[in-house]
Amino acid sequence: DIQMTQSPSSLSASVGDRVTITCRASQSISSHLNWYQQKPGKAPKLLIYAVSSLQSGVPSRFSGSGSGTDLTLTISSLQPEDFATYYCQQSYISPFTFGPGTKVDIK
Amino acid sequence: EVQLLESGGGLIQPGGSLRLSCAASGFTFSSYAMNWLRQAPGKGLEWVSGITSTSGNTYYVDSVKGRFTISRDNSENRLYMQMNSLRAEDTAVYYCAKASGSGTYYFPFDSWGQGTLVTVSS
Repeated sequence: DIQMTQSPSSLSASVGDRVTITCRASQSISSHLNWYQQKPGKAPKLLIYAVSSLQSGVPSRFSGSGSGTDLTLTISSLQPEDFATYYCQQSYISPFTFGPGTKVDIK
Repeated sequence: EVQLLESGGGLIQPGGSLRLSCAASGFTFSSYAMNWLRQAPGKGLEWVSGITSTSGNTYYVDSVKGRFTISRDNSENRLYMQMNSLRAEDTAVYYCAKASGSGTYYFPFDSWGQGTLVTVSS
């Protein structure tokens, strides 16, 4: 199975901060990397697909980048509604594995 | 608007069976692959199973192979998961999720239901 890791596991930030979350895959995933946001008690929401494509309706302050096995989610200016847990996920090889998540909370 | 509504969860004893259902609306159900994912209490997300748009192919995570069966009824716009030989470690919120394409490979999960809780305990 492809192992997905994320760093950091949690971070504290302030409104307006630039936030970067890193995801690493244990082998090539050929750009099939997606990012999800999950708030407590809610279903996950797709933010970014195929490394850098913004899902419809998602604010442009979210962006994805990277290549090979090292990928990044960036929030350019953190807003109050962005405090949540973020997961990366590979959709290249079954089983379609997720990273362990990065919890973003208020400093 | 895409809507996915799961049902069928509950408390079940180890070794028991449950059938989850997901009612879909707001899109052409027969054109998209569908998936089940789960999240154990306080834990991360785990993909469990997927099925292509025409039911031609199904896929499972190793931990449920031989115990869970995914299926769909395109005439009723419904997705199912038959879960047999349930174990304590199957306790989780189970989500139904739509893929953004007809296959299970490569496509992200672009719409999710609200989830249904399955608790396996004696």
